[in-house]
This record gives sequence, structure tokens and C-alpha cells, in this order.
Amino acid sequence: DGGITQSPKYLFRKEGQNVTLSCEQNLNHDAMYWYRQDPGQGLRLIYYSQIVNDFQKGDIAEGYSVSREKKESFPLTVTSAQKNPTAFYLCASKYGGSGNTIYFGEGSWLTVV
Amino acid sequence: GQQVMQIPQYQHVQEGEDFTTYCNSSTTLSNIQWYKQRPGGHPVFLIQLVKSGEVKKQKRLTFQFGEAKKNSSLHITATQTTDVGTYFCAGLSSGSARQLTFGSGTQLTVLP
Repeated sequence: DGGITQSPKYLFRKEGQNVTLSCEQNLNHDAMYWYRQDPGQGLRLIYYSQIVNDFQKGDIAEGYSVSREKKESFPLTVTSAQKNPTAFYLCASKYGGSGNTIYFGEGSWLTVV
Repeated sequence: GQQVMQIPQYQHVQEGEDFTTYCNSSTTLSNIQWYKQRPGGHPVFLIQLVKSGEVKKQKRLTFQFGEAKKNSSLHITATQTTDVGTYFCAGLSSGSARQLTFGSGTQLTVLP
């Protein structure tokens, strides 16, 4: 099946620990994105990557890091510097160009305990 | 930076009533997209509007893009319980940055 796979779906993290969320796509999309969604709120852009080995900060990049070593993969690390990391994290991708729609993964729920 | 405001934040309607959500951008958009997120799910693409004044329909859903390409609306006629979810607009900026900015969403509850 083609699509975007995020893992894990649910993750618990102790305060002070880093955690990495996986995002893999087999859609041959150039661009990949990470969004954060808090309960009852919209989507806020954390990081995005338009091409392999390149990525840009979004609106709320502090406390997060990413890498884009392969076209198919765009992992997100939530570091201990992120003060309020409990949220729903969505990975997305699209073809290059301005008019293409975004496809989302099923999301990862991160809870800090 | 670009901002996309969406109202209302919440809407409760009786089944069979109509529903409308509105988006307004601080800047002129290249296009606007609409997504639906069911409770517990992820956003799913509904439609994209590109032309000034464009109107598109999908069964009971009507999407409009303003003449100035700065605002948009989604109207649902005769809501059903399957319409429950959060509806997001996402505007693509028309400048060189080409950034997609999501509205805060409208959470629709349909009462049977």
C-alpha cells in the first residue's frame, strides 16, 4: 500500500528524555512536513523539508530537530528542551510544486509522564 | 508572517441544519485547500480552490474562494451525523516563499 507511515502511534516519555518519531512515505513525494496539534486546536508547523538533505524551521521549531537523509524518511526528535511536548504529531508529504495537496500520516500521540 | 483566521471555532447543529465555516487570510493566496479531520483521526484532503471567485460542490458541500483570493468558505447543506469532525482551511501564500498555513479549524458537532 502507498502512503505515509508514522510510528509509534502512542508514546510515553519521561521528562528530560529525548524521543524520536518516525515518518516514512513511499509516495515518492519531495516535500515532507511535521505538524503539532494540541487538543481542540489547529496545526502548527514544526519543520519542513523540500528536498533531501535540506530542511527549514517552521513556526514552532524550538525544542525539536529533524533530518532528511533519505527521500522517504523524515524523523522528528522531540528533545528535552521542548517544555510542553505532550501533543498529537502529524507527518505529511506532497509532491514538489505549489499546487499539490498534502497527505497526512495517521499521527503519533506523545505524552510526557 | 501569513495568518489564516478561521471561524467559528466550534459549531453545534441539529441534524438537517446547515453549517458554514469561514477562513480569512492576512495576505493574498495562491490557492486554498480544505481538509476534514474526524475525531481521533488525521486530516484528509477535501478540495482545492485556485481561481478568484471559484465555487466547487461536492454533494452537500459547497466551497467558495473570494474574489480577492483572501477568504473562503465551506457550507454544508442539511448536515448528517457523518459530517462530524473538524474542518480546516489551508492557504498557500502567493509570494516566493509558497508556505501553506492552516486555519485553527472549526469543530462541528451534529446532534441527532
